[in-house]
Amino acid sequence: QSALTQPPSVSGSPGQSVTISCTGTSSDLGSYNRVSWYQQPPGTAPKLMIYEVTKRPSGVPDRFSGSRSGNTASLTISGLQAEDEADYYCSSFTTSSTFVFGGGTRLTVL
Amino acid sequence: EVQLVESGGGLVQPGGSLRLSCAASGFTFNTYWMNWVRQAPGKGLEWVANIKQDGSEKYYVDSVKGRFTVSRDNAKNSLYLQMNSLRAEDTAVYYCARGLKPGSSTYGVDYWGQGTLVTVSS
Repeated sequence: QSALTQPPSVSGSPGQSVTISCTGTSSDLGSYNRVSWYQQPPGTAPKLMIYEVTKRPSGVPDRFSGSRSGNTASLTISGLQAEDEADYYCSSFTTSSTFVFGGGTRLTVL
Repeated sequence: EVQLVESGGGLVQPGGSLRLSCAASGFTFNTYWMNWVRQAPGKGLEWVANIKQDGSEKYYVDSVKGRFTVSRDNAKNSLYLQMNSLRAEDTAVYYCARGLKPGSSTYGVDYWGQGTLVTVSS
């Protein structure tokens, strides 16, 4: 049950686009379309931003999009805004019927 | 409005026990899998355990198997986490989280509580 691999940090200027990667294995991310992304500003609970790889819950701006290729999923945030600054985590269902999170990526808006 | 409110956290000595509770409201509790997720200070999220709507299936992360037990009381719309043989590395904020789709465990979680802090220290 090793954690999914995410870059520790990414950054971008307002209006730019950034992409956060999430790499797993054939035991998790590579086997299921059950990849979710969560946003966590400092001191708050996580918020669901993407589920089933590409779907957005109601209320999440369409600037947030998800994709997957093989064992790697990605979250892209376009038109960066200051309010997007937060930690982002990916998550996947696993072949053991458990869940695994990525280590988290700190997004800094310059 | 979906609400999840955790309680029961606190300071406990290594080897001790603690029982966390999560009070749920705003949705039909007995139709959803429920989860516990924790976050050590300054660290990332770690999924801990989940439980089926009727309590008949439970799954745990390897590091807590045999020490933690997840349970629920659908009549009280409540989720619990009994934590025994606590270790320093169990120190974390513990979040209660709802399964994303009713009746299924595989889609991840959507709503989260605000968390309760568990500190294991002598």
